[in-house]
Amino acid sequence: DVRMTQSPSSVSASVGDRVTVTCRASQDISSALGWYQQKPGKAPKLLISDVSSLQSGVPSRFSGSGSGTDFTLTISSLQPEDFATYYCQQAHSFPLTFGGGTKVVIK
Amino acid sequence: EVQLVESGGHLEQSGGSLRLSCAASGFAFTKYPMSWVRQAPGKGLEWVASIAKGGSDTFYADSVKGRFTISGDNSKSILFLQMSSLRADDTALYFCAKNLAHLWLPDHWGQGALVIVSS
Repeated sequence: DVRMTQSPSSVSASVGDRVTVTCRASQDISSALGWYQQKPGKAPKLLISDVSSLQSGVPSRFSGSGSGTDFTLTISSLQPEDFATYYCQQAHSFPLTFGGGTKVVIK
Repeated sequence: EVQLVESGGHLEQSGGSLRLSCAASGFAFTKYPMSWVRQAPGKGLEWVASIAKGGSDTFYADSVKGRFTISGDNSKSILFLQMSSLRADDTALYFCAKNLAHLWLPDHWGQGALVIVSS
């Protein structure tokens, strides 16, 4: 199974800050990685697929990078609506696996 | 507009069975792979099961293999999750999800169906 290790588990930030979340896969998953945003009581929302492809309607302040085993989600300038929990997910092989999540909280 | 509406979640006793349904609309149901993902209270996301487009193949997490069955009614665009031998650790919000055409990444999600298993 591919283990997805996400860090940090929580980050405290202010509006306007640059925030970076990392995800490490236990083996090479090529570019089969996505990032999700989840707000309390809501379903997750796919932000980025294929490591760096922004989904339709997602603000350009979100970006993804990486390859192989190390991946990064960056929010260039944090906005009030970005306070949420973020998850990575590998789609390279079954069982599909998610990272443990990163909660972005207000400083 | 893609819509996924789950139903069938409720309180069930340990060892019991339950069937979740997910009514899909706004896209060609037979052309996209589908998945179930669950989230225990206060916890992260856990993939449960997936079915290839048209129902040609199915995949399961080890934690549910042999107990859960994913299937679809292509004529009615409904996804199912038949759950049996339920355990307390199956308690979760179960999301139905449509995947991207080219990758097992859910790009649309339902609102979730709550399953509570009492021991």
